[in-house]
Amino acid sequence: ILNVEQSPQSLHVQEGDSTNFTCSFPSSNFYALHWYRWETAKSPEALFVMTLNGDEKKKGRISATLNTKEGYSYLYIKGSQPEDSATYLCAFFGDDKIIFGKGTRLHILP
Amino acid sequence: ETGVTQTPRHLVMGMTNKKSLKCEQHLGHNAMYWYKQSAKKPLELMFVYSLEERVENNSVPSRFSPECPNSSHLFLHLHTLQPEDSALYLCASSQDIGFNDEQYFGPGTRLTVT
Repeated sequence: ILNVEQSPQSLHVQEGDSTNFTCSFPSSNFYALHWYRWETAKSPEALFVMTLNGDEKKKGRISATLNTKEGYSYLYIKGSQPEDSATYLCAFFGDDKIIFGKGTRLHILP
Repeated sequence: ETGVTQTPRHLVMGMTNKKSLKCEQHLGHNAMYWYKQSAKKPLELMFVYSLEERVENNSVPSRFSPECPNSSHLFLHLHTLQPEDSALYLCASSQDIGFNDEQYFGPGTRLTVT
């Protein structure tokens, strides 16, 4: 059974602090790893599409890394702001499969 | 606004009803997807269409019937559903079906089966 695990499930971070969380995925038959941000009452929004081992991508204060050999990706947020409060989803794209994790729910405390 | 719209946003239906969910994308994409999110579960891929042809059907019960009349529209026809089918149904589109293409999601339809 192929599984995508995200940890932690939930996270409270003080405004201004930096944080990171993890997505673990199967290391075989890997094609891509997607990250999405899902704010309450909105649609999931793509952050990154990562395909190569060692990939690092950045969008403003958010960045992500990829290790396909050991099957994990980290998402980093620098200097958290209230608008970063959301659920962050990762999705494994494999051989004829798209598998999402349950997400990490991030709460930014003022 | 992601360029993907879904109607209705909320739907309550009995187990003997027939209803349809509609998705429309205004992005000129060639691939469209239906996902289901049940409580405390991850998004589960149900169906994938590429250029109006179904390319993926993840062992979804036949009481869910998709239809893609053109590359901009996707429907999910529902009949004789069960209470456990209550969930959020999300539609998405991408430029093509490749793994490199980020997906654009609609706001979802919250379905309750009574």
